[in-house]
Amino acid sequence: DIQMTQSPSTLSASVGDRVTITCRASQYISGWLAWYQQKPGKAPKLLIYKASTLESGVPSRFSGSGSGTEFTLTISSLQPDDFATYYCQQYNSYRTFGQGTKVEFK
Amino acid sequence: QVQLQQSGPGLVKPSQTLSLTCAISGDSVSSNTAAWTWIRQSPSRGLEWLGKTYYRSKWYNDYALFVKSRITINPDTSKNQFSLQLNSVTPEDTAVYYCVREGGAARPFDYWGQGTLVTISS
Repeated sequence: DIQMTQSPSTLSASVGDRVTITCRASQYISGWLAWYQQKPGKAPKLLIYKASTLESGVPSRFSGSGSGTEFTLTISSLQPDDFATYYCQQYNSYRTFGQGTKVEFK
Repeated sequence: QVQLQQSGPGLVKPSQTLSLTCAISGDSVSSNTAAWTWIRQSPSRGLEWLGKTYYRSKWYNDYALFVKSRITINPDTSKNQFSLQLNSVTPEDTAVYYCVREGGAARPFDYWGQGTLVTISS
């Protein structure tokens, strides 16, 4: 199985901050990487797929980059609605998720 | 707009079978591009992909290795829905279960059901 490791596990930030979350795959996955946002009691929401393609309706302050085994999700200017938990997910072989990064108020 | 509506019991006894159904609107279970998936989430194990069913001139299933001996995902074309059966459950199977569409064309999990908390307890 391909393991996905996110860092950090928790991130404390303020509104307006630039935030970066890293995801590392245990094997090469090309660009088959997605990012999701999840709020308490809700299903995850697709933000980015194929490493850098923004899902329709997702604000442009979200961006993704990387390929192979190293990927990043960046929020250019954190907004109040962005405090949530973020997950990466590979879909190169079967499907596996990272353990999540919680973005909380500093 | 695709919508997925889950149904099924929230409490299952150990060693019995967990059964959930997902009704699809706005798409077809027989789509040649989408796949119909079950994912679960628990505090101890995080998000786990369980498996999928999909139609590409014939029906296929893929299952996660860790549940492969216990899981069945079936399409029901007459009702435009799909189902999950997980046999021989233990308390470790307690989780929120989601039905999800994998959209195809390189898009992964784009539409999710509302989630069902299933507790395994006697």
